[in-house]
Amino acid sequence: DIQMTQSPSSLSASVGDRVTITCRASQGISNYLAWIQQKPGKAPKSLIYAASTLQSGVPSKFSGSGSGTDFTLTISSLQPEDFATYYCQQYNTYPLTFGGGTKVEIK
Amino acid sequence: EVQLLESGGGLLQPGGSLRLSCAASGFTFSSYAMSWVRQAPGKGLEWVSTISRSADTTHYADSVKGRFTISRDTSKNTLYLQMNSLRAEDTAVYYCAKKGPQAGLVHDYWGQGTLVTVSS
Repeated sequence: DIQMTQSPSSLSASVGDRVTITCRASQGISNYLAWIQQKPGKAPKSLIYAASTLQSGVPSKFSGSGSGTDFTLTISSLQPEDFATYYCQQYNTYPLTFGGGTKVEIK
Repeated sequence: EVQLLESGGGLLQPGGSLRLSCAASGFTFSSYAMSWVRQAPGKGLEWVSTISRSADTTHYADSVKGRFTISRDTSKNTLYLQMNSLRAEDTAVYYCAKKGPQAGLVHDYWGQGTLVTVSS
């Protein structure tokens, strides 16, 4: 199975900060990488697929990059509605696997 | 508007069985693969199973293989997960998710989830 490792597992940031989350795959997955946002008690929401393509309706403050084994999710200017847990997920091969999540909290 | 509404969760004892349902609307159900993803209390997301749009191909996580069965009924626009021989570690919120139009198994919509609790 492909292991997905996210860092950090949590971070504290202020409104307006630029935030970067990293995700590393245990083997190459080309660009078959998605980013998912989840707020407490809510359903997951898909943000990005193919490592860098925004899902429809997702604001451009979110961006993704990377290929192979190393990926990043960046939020350019953190807003109150962005405080959530973010997961990466590979869909290169079954079983689909998720990173452990990064919880973004208010400083 | 795409809507996915899960139901069927509940409290049951180890060894029991349960069938989850996911009622889909707002899109052509027969055109998309569908998945179940679960989340244990306080934990991260775990993929459980995926079924192709034509139901001819299914995939399962090793942790549920041989115990869970995914299926779909196009006439009812409904996805199912039959869960047998349930264990305490199956306790989780179970989400159904729709594959997007993009290449690869990218999920674009998720339901609100249904809670399954396995406890004696």
